[in-house]
Amino acid sequence: QVQLQESGPGLVKPSQTLSLTCTVSGGSISSGSYYWSWIRQPAGKGLEWIGRIYTSGSTNYNPSLKSRVTISVDTSKNQFSLKLSSVTAADTAVYYCARAEPPLGTALDYWGQGTLVTVSS
Amino acid sequence: SYELTQPPSVSVSPGQTARITCSGDALPKQYAYWYQQKPGQAPVLVIYKDSERPSGIPERFSGSSSGTTVTLTISGVQAEDEADYYCQSADSSGTYDVFGTGTKVTVL
Repeated sequence: QVQLQESGPGLVKPSQTLSLTCTVSGGSISSGSYYWSWIRQPAGKGLEWIGRIYTSGSTNYNPSLKSRVTISVDTSKNQFSLKLSSVTAADTAVYYCARAEPPLGTALDYWGQGTLVTVSS
Repeated sequence: SYELTQPPSVSVSPGQTARITCSGDALPKQYAYWYQQKPGQAPVLVIYKDSERPSGIPERFSGSSSGTTVTLTISGVQAEDEADYYCQSADSSGTYDVFGTGTKVTVL
């Protein structure tokens, strides 16, 4: 059973870079063909797709965040990461990592529990 | 940028049928996916590729597609189905994904 767990600072100062890691257990991040994704949700609001990285290393990003986002994979640690630069209070949200398996299209079938990141000085 | 539009809320009595729509210009070309999210929890996939149901999801959840609108149907609604529901799909080129605006289902 695949499990995903987000980790990283819960508080980030405005203008700094938000960095989160998603640790994958129960399977190798580099085996098979998967999309590893990040999604966020401000309190009381809807889900926002941030981006994804394919097992091959190719990436896709939300156009509205593309200039500030980088998603990468560290196969040695079975982790993938999110970096979001120049953060503002609008980036305060619960951040989720998730997996998509191409036979299911881009459906996100496994999710982490989510981690709250607050942007504040 | 691309948007998917859902009704903010749907109310339904137990045992009745709830229908949640999701509209988007690229839906004739791209698959849609549906998620259920309960308070304080991560979303759960309930429908993939417009109408396929993952293992473990009750048969009362079904999906359909017609033109620029996809629909999630919950037949014989139960109290435990009260949650927020989100659709997900891709832009016309398949470059990026978006989530719908979300629909709160209330079981009366």
